[in-house]
Amino acid sequence: RKEVEQDPGPFNVPEGATVAFNCTYSNSASQSFFWYRQDCRKEPKLLMSVYSSGNEDGRFTAQLNRASQYISLLIRDSKLSDSATYLCVVMGSGYSTLTFGKGTMLLVSP
Amino acid sequence: GAGVSQSPSNKVTEKGKDVELRCDPISGHTALYWYRQRLGQGLEFLIYFQGNSAPDKSGLPSDRFSAERTGESVSTLTIQRTQQEDSAVYLCASSLLPASSGANVLTFGAGSRLTVL
Repeated sequence: RKEVEQDPGPFNVPEGATVAFNCTYSNSASQSFFWYRQDCRKEPKLLMSVYSSGNEDGRFTAQLNRASQYISLLIRDSKLSDSATYLCVVMGSGYSTLTFGKGTMLLVSP
Repeated sequence: GAGVSQSPSNKVTEKGKDVELRCDPISGHTALYWYRQRLGQGLEFLIYFQGNSAPDKSGLPSDRFSAERTGESVSTLTIQRTQQEDSAVYLCASSLLPASSGANVLTFGAGSRLTVL
C-alpha cells in the first residue's frame, strides 16, 4: 500500500455540484493531515488542516477517519474557480517529512 | 520578504553541467523544505532544514544532489552532473513552526523549472 493514495481523477462536475474526495494513508501513527490545492503549473497552497473532530471552512469540509485511515474533502456548491488538483498531505511519526499524495484533479464546468 | 522566493524561475542546461537553485524563505521561518515535482507527478521530498539542527537528507535521490542553508536564511540546492531525469520543478517551502509541532503549514515558492537537454 502506498503511503498516501488518492484517486487521480479527473472528477468532472457541473457548477453547483457537491463533490467529495478521499485519501488513504498507510502509516497508522500519522499525526497531522492537510489538504493543499495546486493550480496548473503553480505551487501548492494550503486549503485546510484536517482535525480529528472534522472541520468546515465555508463550502469545504474535511474529515478524518483514523480507524479506516483515510481523510476526506467535501466541496459544496462547486465554483469554476475550484478547478484544481487537490493534494492530500500526511505527516507521519517521522516528523521531518510531510508526504504528499499525487493529487486528485477536479474540473468544474459551466 | 512577503513570500518564499526562488531563483531562477526557469533553467535550461545541458546534460553533465552543474546547476544551483536558490530559495529565500519567509523571514522568521525556521523550517525549510525542498521538494521535486516531475511533470504530472506528485511532490517528492528531498531535504528538510530546521534551525541549526542537522538537516534531514533522507529524500535526496543521489550523491549528485546536495543542499545548504545558512542559519535560518537562504538555501541553495545544487545538482551536479545533471541528467535528463533531473528535469522537474524544484519547489522550496518554509514554515514558521518546526515539523515536530504537527502544525507546520508550508508556504511554497513558485518553483524553479529545470530542463536538462
